[in-house]
Amino acid sequence: DAGVIQSPRHEVTEMGQEVTLRCKPISGHDYLFWYRQTMMRGLELLIYFNNNVPIDDSGMPEDRFSAKMPNASFSTLKIQPSEPRDSAVYFCASGREDKFTTNEKLFFGSGTQLSVL
Amino acid sequence: AQTVTQSQPEMSVQEAETVTLSCTYDTSESDYYLFWYKQPPSRQMILVIRQEAYKQQNATENRFSVNFQKAAKSFSLKISDSQLGDAAMYFCAVMGGGADGLTFGKGTHLIIQP
Repeated sequence: DAGVIQSPRHEVTEMGQEVTLRCKPISGHDYLFWYRQTMMRGLELLIYFNNNVPIDDSGMPEDRFSAKMPNASFSTLKIQPSEPRDSAVYFCASGREDKFTTNEKLFFGSGTQLSVL
Repeated sequence: AQTVTQSQPEMSVQEAETVTLSCTYDTSESDYYLFWYKQPPSRQMILVIRQEAYKQQNATENRFSVNFQKAAKSFSLKISDSQLGDAAMYFCAVMGGGADGLTFGKGTHLIIQP
């Protein structure tokens, strides 16, 4: 398996523009998580899905942020309009709840480095 | 709500020596899991070791081991025979039994002195 795939790896945009980050989870995983990493706040959970349904979006900072999971193999995180303070690394992670006995419960993608100028 | 505290923003150790990274946590869950992740400059999140809270025996993975003190809510990571490749950010994390996502600490930057 190729692992969790995120695109793009880097994104540079100007303030006010719409940004869409993409994630392809590992096949067969029923959970998908979006995290944001900044120096000041560390790794924060933004939202997570179970079987494509959003379960908890309490970590989404503002209405400018939205996430969708139209099917089991694809999710997007959209920021509209983007602001400089949104600059961060955004990680997607996927997992299977029934894998308690294995050594890896969550698999992370390589992240998207977002810079909003 | 869950919280994780890593009190050491940065640690430095000589190559081949042993270093311990501290972590304390708080959770209202009775069933939970604890993790240490390594993040090298490539920013990939790499699972180092995990511990099920219901297990009393401390987890071990080669040169990495944990000291899990459940009553004290402490979960420290010991790295033996430190290698240059161990240099990275290390994050402690907790997850409840309901697969509701990991809660991370702020991380410890580990420097390995050659």
